[in-house]
Amino acid sequence: AQKITQTQPGMFVQEKEAVTLDCTYDTSDPSYGLFWYKQPSSGEMIFLIYQGSYDQQNATEGRYSLNFQKARKSANLVISASQLGDSAMYFCAMREGYSSASKIIFGSGTRLSIRP
Amino acid sequence: GAVVSQHPSWVICKSGTSVKIECRSLDFQATTMFWYRQFPKQSLMLMATSNEGSKATYEQGVEKDKFLINHASLTLSTLTVTSAHPEDSSFYICSASGTGGYSNQPQHFGDGTRLSIL
Repeated sequence: AQKITQTQPGMFVQEKEAVTLDCTYDTSDPSYGLFWYKQPSSGEMIFLIYQGSYDQQNATEGRYSLNFQKARKSANLVISASQLGDSAMYFCAMREGYSSASKIIFGSGTRLSIRP
Repeated sequence: GAVVSQHPSWVICKSGTSVKIECRSLDFQATTMFWYRQFPKQSLMLMATSNEGSKATYEQGVEKDKFLINHASLTLSTLTVTSAHPEDSSFYICSASGTGGYSNQPQHFGDGTRLSIL
């Protein structure tokens, strides 16, 4: 069965510093996708970045990058030059298989707080 | 980009009432939608997978008769919490992907419904 683990319940980071949010996963399916979502206090889920199991390079989207280490089964999110607006819950998630109709399972989340 | 609309945003009702939550994909067709439940400061727990034109697939431990799901069209899924009680109070959120997509397509989420049962 698929499993996502986020071991950091909360993190405090100084504004403008980089931050890494940890995520490890477990699956027996060779085909899978990894996602990171941001959830502000208002509750909506904001898609940040995606990494496929067969992707050769780490995904990047603006200030977000994903440090994908397949052998270690880790998919850490790196936020460069953090901003006050980055304060939110961050969820790592995984989908097994090829289809977008497959379910996505979420980790327990990390609450990130940016200090001015 | 893809938009998913969820209605209502807030519901406060008395114990024993049934509550219906709607999830609509506004600019794409969604064969499959998903319903999640989130308690305060916790993660999203998948409740069920809603399939257009067929029965929903429920996760282990989720009561089918308590949480009725209907996916009557490619743009609408509904979740009905039947005979709601205070322990059903939670944040319910739906998501959807376009039809025939590959695994790199993200789920697009509605803004969620905060349900409070008095």
